Amino acid sequence: KNEVEQSPQNLTAQEGEFITINCSYSVGISALHWLQQHPGGGIVSLFMLSSGKKKHGRLIATINIQEKHSSLHITASHPRDSAVYICAKETSGSRLTFGEGTQLTVNP
Amino acid sequence: KAGVTQTPRYLIKTRGQQVTLSCSPISGHRSVSWYQQTPGQGLQFLFEYFSETQRNKGNFPGRFSGRQFSNSRSEMNVSTLELGDSALYLCASSRDGRDEKLFFGSGTQLSVL
Repeated sequence: KNEVEQSPQNLTAQEGEFITINCSYSVGISALHWLQQHPGGGIVSLFMLSSGKKKHGRLIATINIQEKHSSLHITASHPRDSAVYICAKETSGSRLTFGEGTQLTVNP
Repeated sequence: KAGVTQTPRYLIKTRGQQVTLSCSPISGHRSVSWYQQTPGQGLQFLFEYFSETQRNKGNFPGRFSGRQFSNSRSEMNVSTLELGDSALYLCASSRDGRDEKLFFGSGTQLSVL
């Protein structure tokens, strides 16, 4: 069993839809990261959270430490949101363990 | 404010050679971490440097090494290259590498022939 499990692996949505990507991890963490990777490889850090909820624009990230679960929500999705979304747990310094990623495609 | 700069962007090597990749962090950032991304294994942590000291190391063989200079720039070296080392190598920087957002470079795409 992977230490970090993401679901779904692939997600296709229509523009404007509400999207949820889930992440579960098997052991305790110091922080949970949500990353976005576009074709070409560049990675952007969306959120780093250790408790509660964070919001930036149309993106919302939540974490439940007791349940070892985090979600990334995208409201009013747009084709430019199409990317791979990766969650990663941090246990020590910048030592991250990554999920396999969720390929999101938003169609106009 | 300049972002994280990785050089070179692309690199082609042959088996048995060695390679050195460079990463210049955002000014003021003292932590630099390195990651390998392959289609089969996904993203994996290589190591982290902070104030010229290796603070964390992933599960990679000793052929993978790195260092950090006093200006926080970091290099990673892979010796005796194998075909399986073909990957996108990413570095990320942060102020102190503990529970904070990371800033990633664009990566170096290494192909080993």
